[in-house]
Amino acid sequence: EPEVTQTPSHQVTQMGQEVILRCVPISNHLYFYWYRQILGQKVEFLVSFYNNEISEKSEIFDDQFSVERPDGSNFTLKIRSTKLEDSAMYFCASTWTVNQPQHFGDGTRLSIL
Amino acid sequence: AQSVTQLDSQVPVFEEAPVELRCNYSSSVSVYLFWYVQYPNQGLQLLLKYLSGSTLVKSINGFEAEFNKSQTSFHLRKPSVHISDTAEYFCAVIPTGTASKLTFGTGTRLQVTL
Repeated sequence: EPEVTQTPSHQVTQMGQEVILRCVPISNHLYFYWYRQILGQKVEFLVSFYNNEISEKSEIFDDQFSVERPDGSNFTLKIRSTKLEDSAMYFCASTWTVNQPQHFGDGTRLSIL
Repeated sequence: AQSVTQLDSQVPVFEEAPVELRCNYSSSVSVYLFWYVQYPNQGLQLLLKYLSGSTLVKSINGFEAEFNKSQTSFHLRKPSVHISDTAEYFCAVIPTGTASKLTFGTGTRLQVTL
């Protein structure tokens, strides 16, 4: 069964550094998402992306965050200047159309030192 | 806007006992409902979905959930749990007819012991 893949599985970065989290959604999917889960808390929506543009974003997704689909397969989340509070598990998800469930990757654990 | 409440943060249960994990939601529009499961050190896997039709939905591994519109609930049940069911379970909703964001509950940790 096709999967959403995320790399790396764990990223350790110094505060203030830029980080890029990478995702390869399922190949025929058209809608892409990033969520995060701070340790011990619930899964929170960050941003959704469709037709090469952001379709929705949360208040968490401020100017330090950006997303890109640089080619036909990758979907990236960039954090320009990381903060300690950005430490979390980041999940990528995708779906192919409305009314269908989102499929999640295994996540990238981001640790900011 | 939508919100999801999972009242039980942890549910300890013995193997082969029945279990119910509760989920209630609030929404001003119609929603689809999902249960996702997160095993240790893994991502979120879709367990069950309610989109339309029969209000009772079942998974291949024995879980079932029933959509109750009047009570705005989507409780997850299993008549006999296994050690391998130990995981975090998340209830989530999305407005119907959209590919919008999922709104998650805080999760329930199911701990199955011998």
